[in-house]
Amino acid sequence: EPEVTQTPSHQVTQMGQEVILRCVPISNHLYFYWYRQILGQKVEFLVSFYNNEISEKSEIFDDQFSVERPDGSNFTLKIRSTKLEDSAMYFCASNVELGASWAGANVLTFGAGSRLTVL
Amino acid sequence: DAKTTQPNSMESNEEEPVHLPCNHSTISGTDYIHWYRQLPSQGPEYVIHGLTSNVNNRMASLAIAEDRKSSTLILHRATLRDAAVYYCILSAQGGSEKLVFGKGTKLTVNP
Repeated sequence: EPEVTQTPSHQVTQMGQEVILRCVPISNHLYFYWYRQILGQKVEFLVSFYNNEISEKSEIFDDQFSVERPDGSNFTLKIRSTKLEDSAMYFCASNVELGASWAGANVLTFGAGSRLTVL
Repeated sequence: DAKTTQPNSMESNEEEPVHLPCNHSTISGTDYIHWYRQLPSQGPEYVIHGLTSNVNNRMASLAIAEDRKSSTLILHRATLRDAAVYYCILSAQGGSEKLVFGKGTKLTVNP
């Protein structure tokens, strides 16, 4: 079964450092997402990405965050200058198969997540 | 902005059926009812979805009330591996709308 792959599984960084989290979405999917989950809290939407541009972003996704699809397979989340409160699990997801009907249900496939610890 | 209401936690015994309820009284006509689950230290995992009719798949069954204001996720025989947080989420028709997660129901399965 196709998977969304995320790397690294765990990253420890110092406050103020830049971090890049990487995701390989399912190969024929068109929409990509980042979510985060602070320990013990809800899964929160950060950003959605389609056709090489951001289609929607949340209030959390401020100027410190950016997303990019640098090639045909990777989808990255960059945090420019990490803060303590950025410590969380970050989940990548994808959906909408190329050629499939856009009507109907919206089923996302999530990766296993990248744990970010900011010291 | 949570549009669904679920109990915070439920408990079940292994190999017994589990019925996880969800209220969504403000559901609109084009909203699909989705269920995802999150195993410990994992990402959310799709379980099942439906619009009006009851649905079955290899993981679970989804029973939708006639007025669509509530639904129940049914695990026919709970296993220890089913211990997870279960999320009931409404999503408009179409492939690109983000999913909004609430707190979900934490299911504990006793051996």
